Amino acid sequence: KQEVTQIPAALSVPEGENLVLNCSFTDSAIYNLQWFRQDPGKGLTSLLLIQSSQREQTSGRLNASLDKSSGRSTLYIAASQPGDSATYLCAVYGGSYIPTFGRGTSLIVHP
Amino acid sequence: GAGVSQSPSNKVTEKGKDVELRCDPISGHTALYWYRQSLGQGLEFLIYFQGNSAPDKSGLPSDRFSAERTGGSVSTLTIQRTQQEDSAVYLCASSRPLGTSADTQYFGPGTRLTVL
Repeated sequence: KQEVTQIPAALSVPEGENLVLNCSFTDSAIYNLQWFRQDPGKGLTSLLLIQSSQREQTSGRLNASLDKSSGRSTLYIAASQPGDSATYLCAVYGGSYIPTFGRGTSLIVHP
Repeated sequence: GAGVSQSPSNKVTEKGKDVELRCDPISGHTALYWYRQSLGQGLEFLIYFQGNSAPDKSGLPSDRFSAERTGGSVSTLTIQRTQQEDSAVYLCASSRPLGTSADTQYFGPGTRLTVL
């Protein structure tokens, strides 16, 4: 059974810092890995989707990398802003269309 | 509409009552997922619909939970004889699967269910 762990569980940083959020998974036989953002009381918003043949994806200040062999993905946020405050979730797709989610990293960026 | 919609946004019910939660996916999305998010827990997969195929119900926690998807579009999640442990946010998502890899999932805002 796939297990997904996200570290740290919570993070509080001053504005402007570069951040790294970590996601690890136990079964390396994955198809895709996806990073989401969830604002309080809202649904999830997709940030980046990395297919198994890819090593990384970039969107604006966000960069996600994938190392299947070690069972790890990182989400890098450059020059963090207060608007980045949210919970960040990692989802891993194995041999089906059904993802396994981590519990998320709660991020607070203070001015 | 442009996104996935869910109704109601909030539902308070008494223990033992039945509830129905509705999800309207993005037009043209053949895949639809239901998840449950409890306080302090991760997202728990409940059920997955893909086109006209039989749904994957492997995540439903008990036989009190059921879901249907009519006409390949709107889906309803039904919880019978609700229990307090059913209190959670129920999220719906839709996507367009591409071959053997899943496309981006688009989530609705969720229904917050409180069972008293």
